[in-house]
This record gives sequence, C-alpha cells and structure tokens, in this order.
Amino acid sequence: GDSVTQMEGPVTLSEEAFLTINCTYTATGYPSLFWYVQYPGEGLQLLLKATKADDKGSNKGFEATYRKETTSFHLEKGSVQVSDSAVYFCALRRDYKLSFGAGTTVTVRA
Amino acid sequence: SQTIHQWPATLVQPVGSPLSLECTVEGTSNPNLYWYRQAAGRGLQLLFYSVGIGQISSEVPQNLSASRPQDRQFILSSKKLLLSDSGFYLCAWSLEGGQGYFTLGETQYFGPGTRLLVL
Repeated sequence: GDSVTQMEGPVTLSEEAFLTINCTYTATGYPSLFWYVQYPGEGLQLLLKATKADDKGSNKGFEATYRKETTSFHLEKGSVQVSDSAVYFCALRRDYKLSFGAGTTVTVRA
Repeated sequence: SQTIHQWPATLVQPVGSPLSLECTVEGTSNPNLYWYRQAAGRGLQLLFYSVGIGQISSEVPQNLSASRPQDRQFILSSKKLLLSDSGFYLCAWSLEGGQGYFTLGETQYFGPGTRLLVL
C-alpha cells in the first residue's frame, strides 16, 4: 500500500538557518503530494502541493519538488523564522485518501 | 469563502461513556468529508470518509462510527469510549467533481480539531 516516510525530528535551528525536511514515498502510479503544517494547538493547514512529476510547490518561502525518479518530495526553506516553529507533515493522495508521514517537529530559536 | 467548524475543542470523558463530535462546513455544497485521528507523536490516520448524505465508508475497524445527516454536517460517535480512543480528531473537506469522483490533486482542508482525553 501507499506510505510516506519523513525524517525523524525534532529539528532545532537558529533563525535564518536553512531548513530541509526529507520525505520519500512508496506508491504505484502518480499520486499527488502535499506538505501540511500544524502550529501549536491548531489543526492542519495546507502549505504546498504538487500534482505531477517535476512540479514545484511553493508558499511562504517554502519549496518542494515532486521527484518521481527518487520518489521524494523534500521540503526546503532558505531562511527560517521563529514563526516557522511547527510540526510538518508530508502526505500523498490517491483517490479519496491522504496518507501521512509521522510528522517532523521543527523549533526555530531566536 | 469556505470554513470548517469542529466542536468541542477539548473533551475529557470517562471510559465507557458515549461520544459525539460534530463537524460542519460552510460556503460550499456537496463536499467530501473526512474524519482523521492523530495519536500522540504519530501521523494522521483516516477513519471515515463520506461522498454524500448517508454515505459513509470506514477505513479501519474500530470502536467509532460516523454519520452524515445533512450535506455539510459530519458526526463522529461512539457508544462506549475506550482509553485507546484518546487523541486529536480532525475533520476535513474537499470539493470533488461529483459523488464518488475524486479529483487528482484536490486539496483536503482541515478543521481546528477536537482534543479527546479518555480517562
């Protein structure tokens, strides 16, 4: 079945550091790929998505590229802020179902 | 614009008591609706989804049930809660092409969640 594997956290960074969170997936065909973010005490918000190979999703300075050859969708941001502290979830969608990774907790220190 | 509401935000219930969590969506018609559970330190697991009124599909066998009495209302229930039912419950919606049709890449939008603690 479909599955998503994310790098384990927690990840602690200083402000303005470079962030990368690895995400790889196992699926047949061409699922859609998503990154969701969960701020403390809140529900999930869509951060970005990509629906086909080589698509790049971007939002709020975050980027991720759908790489079919490596079955990956790594999330990157060049300069993080304290407000980026959150849990980040990689997910793939086939038909109705979203399959999530376990989440990566990111803490950014001033 | 569309909004999704869940209540209550937090709930503490004794083992063996009943449960009813409600989710409503505004600003759209005939959405697909979903219930997910997030256990502590883990990712989200899809529990139920619905493509229309009275149409419920269950993803995993469990102590919970779901109902959709109205187009934009989705209810998660249990007759007798277990300790293992504790977690963060999230409702989500998506807009598809029609009943039973799932659009490639269509986004699921999540509500604020209900934190349930069973003691």
